[in-house]
Amino acid sequence: QSALTQPPSASGSPGQSITISCTGTSSDVGGYNYVSWYQQHPGKAPKLMIFEVSKRPSGVPDRFSGSKSGNTASLTVSGLQPEDEADYYCSSYAGSNNVFGTGTKVTVL
Amino acid sequence: EVQLVESGGDLVQPGGSLRLSCAASGLTVSDNYMSWVRQAPGKGLEWVATIYAGGSKFYVDSVKGRFTISRDKSKNTLYLQMNTMRPEDTAVYYCARDGPVTMAIDYWGQGTQVTV
Repeated sequence: QSALTQPPSASGSPGQSITISCTGTSSDVGGYNYVSWYQQHPGKAPKLMIFEVSKRPSGVPDRFSGSKSGNTASLTVSGLQPEDEADYYCSSYAGSNNVFGTGTKVTVL
Repeated sequence: EVQLVESGGDLVQPGGSLRLSCAASGLTVSDNYMSWVRQAPGKGLEWVATIYAGGSKFYVDSVKGRFTISRDKSKNTLYLQMNTMRPEDTAVYYCARDGPVTMAIDYWGQGTQVTV
């Protein structure tokens, strides 16, 4: 039940694209297509942005996209907007439990 | 509209107990996969426990034997009984609904603060 590994920070200027990685093992990320991504603004509850690796819930802008290769999943934010500045967490189903990533702070320069 | 409202957070001494509640509206707790997720001050999210619609329960290793997730169908409420609490249990505790097909948390409560 070790946390998935994410880079501590990422940044980009408005309009640019960033990609956040999420590395696990064959027991979680690599073993299931149940990777999700959450956005969390300070003092707020997390919000689901991506589920099942690459699907977007209704209302999430198509600037957000997800993918997976082997034991590593990725979240790409295209056309960065000021409101995208937040913490992002990946999560994966891992059999009888779930595991979150270490989190990435995204800064819009 | 789905709403999850947590309550019961408090300041407790090490070794003490606390019960968190999560009152749901807009969904039936007993028909859903429901979870507790916590976030220590300045730290990341940590999955704590999940109860499936069928009643199966799962816990993160650090709380096994100390925490119990349960639900009350008549009150449409989810609970987390926390015993033998430790300083490292200090966190905001979120109640959440897991999409049973997506295995992703699509509804979150606002959180309740627990300090040990």
